[in-house]
Amino acid sequence: AQSVSQHNHHVILSEAASLELGCNYSYGGTVNLFWYVQYPGQHLQLLLKYFSGDPLVKGIKGFEAEFIKSKFSFNLRKPSVQWSDTAEYFCAVNPLGTNAGKSTFGDGTTLTVKP
Amino acid sequence: DGGITQSPKYLFRKEGQNVTLSCEQNLNHDAMYWYRQDPGQGLRLIYYSQIVNDFQKGDIAEGYSVSREKKESFPLTVTSAQKNPTAFYLCASSTLPGTGGYEQFFGPGTRLTVL
Repeated sequence: AQSVSQHNHHVILSEAASLELGCNYSYGGTVNLFWYVQYPGQHLQLLLKYFSGDPLVKGIKGFEAEFIKSKFSFNLRKPSVQWSDTAEYFCAVNPLGTNAGKSTFGDGTTLTVKP
Repeated sequence: DGGITQSPKYLFRKEGQNVTLSCEQNLNHDAMYWYRQDPGQGLRLIYYSQIVNDFQKGDIAEGYSVSREKKESFPLTVTSAQKNPTAFYLCASSTLPGTGGYEQFFGPGTRLTVL
């Protein structure tokens, strides 16, 4: 069975600090990888995705993530966080092939940015 | 506006009653999903559907049922067999896998409380 592990449940940073949120997954086949974000009071929305090509992908609001296939990792980064980045972040794996559609999400990381 | 609507926003039910949560999308997406979100546990997949009149169980399907009679609609019934139904339920939709990374679009959610 596939699984997704997010390393940090709650991260607290000051504005302008750098951010890295860890995500590791286990699955034997080809996957699409996603980071979603849920800002307070808003819908869950896509931050960025990887499905093929360059393993370094860029998303909205200055976020980026790197897919390292050998490590089954898809860590999220941002060089300098802002107070408005306070939100909950979810890593997700969507398999292709036989299990296409059977998505798995991590438990989420709550990011609090202090002004 | 294109998007996903879920109703109602809040729902209360008595133990032993079945209840149906509505999900409608006008994004012309083939695939639809139901998730349950509990604090600290991320999103867990209940059911998903990639075509009308067909659906598959996710990781926690016991005590739930779905139907997909129309492309736009994917209602979820929480039955009396679900032992711990109080939760936040999210509906999502996407294009089919393999089309450039099938990101999911989420609705606002329904918070179900069993009294």
